[in-house]
This record gives sequence, C-alpha cells and structure tokens, in this order.
Amino acid sequence: DAGVIQSPRHEVTEMGQEVTLRCKPISGHDYLFWYRQTMMRGLELLIYFNNNVPIDDSGMPEDRFSAKMPNASFSTLKIQPSEPRDSAVYFCASIGGGGGAYNEQFFGPGTRLTVL
Amino acid sequence: RKEVEQDPGPFNVPEGATVAFNCTYSNSASQSFFWYRQDCRKEPKLLMSVYSSGNEDGRFTAQLNRASQYISLLIRDSKLSDSATYLCVVNNAGFQKLVFGTGTRLLVSP
Repeated sequence: DAGVIQSPRHEVTEMGQEVTLRCKPISGHDYLFWYRQTMMRGLELLIYFNNNVPIDDSGMPEDRFSAKMPNASFSTLKIQPSEPRDSAVYFCASIGGGGGAYNEQFFGPGTRLTVL
Repeated sequence: RKEVEQDPGPFNVPEGATVAFNCTYSNSASQSFFWYRQDCRKEPKLLMSVYSSGNEDGRFTAQLNRASQYISLLIRDSKLSDSATYLCVVNNAGFQKLVFGTGTRLLVSP
C-alpha cells in the first residue's frame, strides 16, 4: 500500500523563482496537512484540508505561499516568489478514518527546498 | 512560551541504558498526545500514543500527567537503533492540528 507521495524530493532554485511542491495523500484519507521543518523552528503546520476544503491556513507565513487541493488525491503548495528564508523541508501528511483524535498522521518523505 | 517544550539534548547513552524524556505543554485543553520518532533526514513516524492511564509498548513506556501538563517517554534497554529524534506532539480538542515540540535527540552508543 503506497504511503504519502511527495515530489520533487529535492528542489534547488534561485530567489524570485516560483516553486511548486506536490503531494498525493494515502487513498481514502480525508485530511491533508502541509508542514515546514527548519532547525530553528522545528515542524510547523502551514495549512490543512478536510475533504479538499482548506480548514485552517493560519500557519501560512505570508501571501507568497498558497496551497490548493483540487481533488482528493492531489495537493500543491506554491511559493511565489521564493526567498532564501523559505529553505526548509516541506512535509505533507494525511489522516483517514474521519480524523479521530488518536488517528495517526502519516507523513510523506518530504521535499528539501533550497533557495539560493 | 512555546506550546510544546522539550529538552533538545542530545542524550548520549550506552547500549542497554534506560533513558527518559519529558515534555511540557501549555494548553490545558489539549486532549490527545503522542510521541513521534524522526530519523535523520526522514519523515516523522508515530512511535506511540499517550493515554491518560499511561501505556507501554515493549521497551517503551509513555505517561501523561494532566495536572502538571507534562508527558514522558521511558526507553528501557536502549538499542543502537533507538538513536533518533523524539518529538512530543499535542493535538488540541476538536481539531486535527498537531503541535510538535522541536524534539529531543537521542544517541545510543556501543
């Protein structure tokens, strides 16, 4: 059974460029999360969706960040324009089973973003 | 004050040792609690959930103290393979949001 799939695994880009990160949640999972991890701040929730609808985007750092979930099997996180301080590992995660309090969040392998 | 606080370590222990980590959380309304494990350059994975009554899974024991708002993880008979970062995680009531601590790094040496 495939887990959460993210692409690309690594992205190196120059400041000012647009970056698009992609995620495919586990089939049947109805919650999808985007996180960012840095050494300084740890793992931070950026946004999450339930049944493709954004529920809470309070963690999105600024207007340069946007996320979409056009269908149950695909989501994107876009940064435009990118800045060096956006360099981090971006994880996507999903939960199934109606999102019960103790349901496990399954993480994808992450996208390591470097903005030069 | 951070919502979830952990000692970053590293904790350096020999194989076979017992090691304990604590974590404190600030939101008294928090309802569910977890320990996740993260290996270097990998994604976090659920190690165990932490229930009010405490729970044990092999060499791992988790405890929750709601009055003092802390969570603990005890690892007995440490193995080299236990070397990782352990993330304390809190899920607030009615929400799917997980708040992660910055992690405690454990290094188990031969």
